[in-house]
Amino acid sequence: SQQGEEDPQALSIQEGENATMNCSYKTSINNLQWYRQNSGRGLVHLILIRSNEREKHSGRLRVTLDTSKKSSSLLITASRAADTASYFCATAPGGGNKLTFGTGTQLKVEL
Amino acid sequence: GAVVSQHPSWVICKSGTSVKIECRSLDFQATTMFWYRQFPKQSLMLMATSNEGSKATYEQGVEKDKFLINHASLTLSTLTVTSAHPEDSSFYICSASPSGSHQETQYFGPGTRLLVL
Repeated sequence: SQQGEEDPQALSIQEGENATMNCSYKTSINNLQWYRQNSGRGLVHLILIRSNEREKHSGRLRVTLDTSKKSSSLLITASRAADTASYFCATAPGGGNKLTFGTGTQLKVEL
Repeated sequence: GAVVSQHPSWVICKSGTSVKIECRSLDFQATTMFWYRQFPKQSLMLMATSNEGSKATYEQGVEKDKFLINHASLTLSTLTVTSAHPEDSSFYICSASPSGSHQETQYFGPGTRLLVL
């Protein structure tokens, strides 16, 4: 089964709106990461949040982590058409270096 | 920033042939590289961990004789899909962690799209 489940699977919003994606995981983690993938391309690392952190910001990105609920959220504020992509959370179960990816959220930002 | 390249970016081959995909870390050394495959509109699935100078570690269900991995240097790992069949058609992505780092962050290549006819 997937270590990470994300919802929604797909999200369509208007430019300027905020987009929120959620990720749930099953095992203990040292950190959780978010990646973006443009269609047919590789992954771009967005942000890493450690298990002892609750919230982290990077530009228009805000990530939260709730280890008691084993969940994380990614908020993109003031979205742009260029934010259209798939977003994946990833964890390394057991603190190793092998990443397990969530099912992903396909975000579409329309003009 | 750390850059990982893959070659080729796409390849079409006939069933039964073998295809080699290269993954290079351009501006850093990587003791460990990872190979993933991704089917359309699905997530990435880890296939194997490539370790420089030693044998690769394969995930459960991945045939090591089917997907040959060689990590001959600190900047190059290759994945060879042997006797490819249409069901091997997929998007193959590699990633690398800089040597000496905590290996928390992986840098991904742009991917190789394989189509087996």
